[in-house]
Amino acid sequence: DGGITQSPKYLFRKEGQNVTLSCEQNLNHDAMYWYRQDPGQGLRLIYYSQIVNDFQKGDIAEGYSVSREKKESFPLTVTSAQKNPTAFYLCASSPTRSEAFFGQGTRLTVV
Amino acid sequence: AQSVAQPEDQVNVAEGNPLTVKCTYSVSGNPYLFWYVQYPNRGLQFLLKYITGDNLVKGSYGFEAEFNKSQTSFHLKKPSALVSDSALYFCAVREGNNQGGKLIFGQGTELSVKP
Repeated sequence: DGGITQSPKYLFRKEGQNVTLSCEQNLNHDAMYWYRQDPGQGLRLIYYSQIVNDFQKGDIAEGYSVSREKKESFPLTVTSAQKNPTAFYLCASSPTRSEAFFGQGTRLTVV
Repeated sequence: AQSVAQPEDQVNVAEGNPLTVKCTYSVSGNPYLFWYVQYPNRGLQFLLKYITGDNLVKGSYGFEAEFNKSQTSFHLKKPSALVSDSALYFCAVREGNNQGGKLIFGQGTELSVKP
C-alpha cells in the first residue's frame, strides 16, 4: 500500500512536555511538509524539506523542530516552547513541482 | 512572497445549481496551482492542478478550474452541485520556478450544498 502514514492519530500532551509526531511515506517523494490546521485559519506551513538532510522554516516554525535523516521520514517535534500546540497536524509529500499527497493527520491536545 | 486568498469563508448552493469557489494568488514567478477538498477530521484530497497549458483544467468528481493570469485567479467550478460535495475546499500555490519549494494554502472555503 503506497501512501503517507501519520501516527498517532490522537496525541495528548501535558504542559511542558515535548512530543514527536511521526510521518512516513513510501512514495519516493523528495519533498515533505508539515502543516498546522486551526479552525478558521486554514493550513499554515510549519517546516518543509526538499531533500534529505535539509529543511526550511515555514511561516510558523517557532516552538517546533524537524529532522530529515531519511527520504521516507520527516518527524515533527512540538517542544515546550510552543505555547498553544493544540491543533490538527497534517504531513504531506510531493514529487518535484507536482501536487502534494496528505496523511490522515494527528490531533494533538494539551491536557 | 507567495500568498493565496479565498475571499469567501462559506458558499451555499442548492443541489443541481452550478457552484464557484473563488481563489486568487500571488507569486513572483510562474504559478503552479492546486485545489484540494477536506472532509471532517481527515487529510486533504487532491482535486486538480494547473501547471501549464490549457487554462481550463478538469479534475476529479466533475470539478474544473479556470486559470486567469491577468486576474491572478484560479476559481473552482462545477456545473451541477451534489449534496455530497459539501466539504472544506482549499486552494494552494507553489512558485513554479523553484524546484519543490513552499506550497502555500488559502484559508479554506466551506461549501454547503442543500437538497
